[in-house]
Parts: sequence; structure tokens; C-alpha cells
Amino acid sequence: DGGITQSPKYLFRKEGQNVTLSCEQNLNHDAMYWYRQDPGQGLRLIYYSQIVNDFQKGDIAEGYSVSREKKESFPLTVTSAQKNPTAFYLCASSIKTGGINEQFFGPGTRLTVL
Amino acid sequence: AQSVSQHNHHVILSEAASLELGCNYSYGGTVNLFWYVQYPGQHLQLLLKYFSGDPLVKGIKGFEAEFIKSKFSFNLRKPSVQWSDTAEYFCAVLMDTGRRALTFGSGTRLQVQP
Repeated sequence: DGGITQSPKYLFRKEGQNVTLSCEQNLNHDAMYWYRQDPGQGLRLIYYSQIVNDFQKGDIAEGYSVSREKKESFPLTVTSAQKNPTAFYLCASSIKTGGINEQFFGPGTRLTVL
Repeated sequence: AQSVSQHNHHVILSEAASLELGCNYSYGGTVNLFWYVQYPGQHLQLLLKYFSGDPLVKGIKGFEAEFIKSKFSFNLRKPSVQWSDTAEYFCAVLMDTGRRALTFGSGTRLQVQP
């Protein structure tokens, strides 16, 4: 069954701890993305990667880090430098169709920092 | 900076009422336009998209949207809503800036009352 998986669904961490959110896709998509969703603010882009071993900062990259060692995986680390990490995190992937990126989304991970 | 605006933050309608959700973007170049929907507890999923050609596009579940280039708008419409349309709706724009990632609006929460 093809799709994007994110784990875990809910994650709790203490303030000051780094935490890594998993994102895996078996769609053979080239590009992957991380967004943060907050009430009333829509989705904001954290990082994205068009190909393996390459990634770019999005609009709110401060306090986050990523890696793209494999095509199917794009983990996001929320570091202690992120001032307000409690949010819903969405991973997406896309394949270029005629140069157009149509993005497919995972189910999300809700991170709560206590 | 390029942005996407959704001015209706929360809309409440009765079943069978007509729906129009506004979406405007601030970018003068070529765009590809999307509407995504997030039903309670479900993945974000694509409702419809515009790449080129006929500016009136039809999506799933009876939704349609019209791209008006002169107004930088891509409003979503449905002639008769159902209770099952209760969800959050996001407009997203892909701009030809070289950044191959979507810019999302802040979302509109639609509540349909039976």
C-alpha cells in the first residue's frame, strides 16, 4: 500500500531535549517536504529536499535540522533552539509531473513539549 | 515577499447553501494553484488543481475553482454543501521562483450545520 508514513502520531518531550520525527515514503517520489501547522496560520514550510543528499531551508528553518540520506526518508530534528516547538508537523512528497510538484501528505505528528 | 491570503477564517453554513471561499496571492509570475482539504482526523488531501488551460477547474465531491489572473485569485466554490463538507480548506500556490515548494494560505474552517 503506497503512501507516506509518519511516526509517532503523538510525541511528548521535555523542554531542552532534541527530538526526531520520522517520515518515510514508498511512492518513489523525488522531493520531500516538512511543514508545521499551527491554528490560524496554515502550513509553513520548514525544510525541503528535491534530491537525495540535498535540502534547502524553508520559511521557518531556525531550530530545525534535516537529512536526506535515502530517497524514501526525510527525518526532521526539532532542536532545543526551537523556541516554540509544540505543533502539528506534516511531511509531504512529490514527483515532478511536467515540472509541476503535486504534493501528497502524511498523517502528521503532533509534538507537545512540556 | 510572496504570500497567499484566505480572508474567510471560519465559515458556518446550513446544508444546501452555496459556498465560496476566497484565495488571493501576491505574485506576478507564473503560478500553479491548489486547494487542499483536511477532514477531521484525516490526512490533508488534494481537492483540485490548476496548472494551465481552462481557468475553471473541477475537483472531487462537486467542488470547483476559478483562476482569475487579473485578480490574482483562485476562489473555491460549491453550489450546495453537505454536512460531510465540514473540514478545513487550504489554498496553496506554487510560484515559478525556483523554490519548488508550495506556499499555503492560513486556511478556512468550514462548519456545515444539518
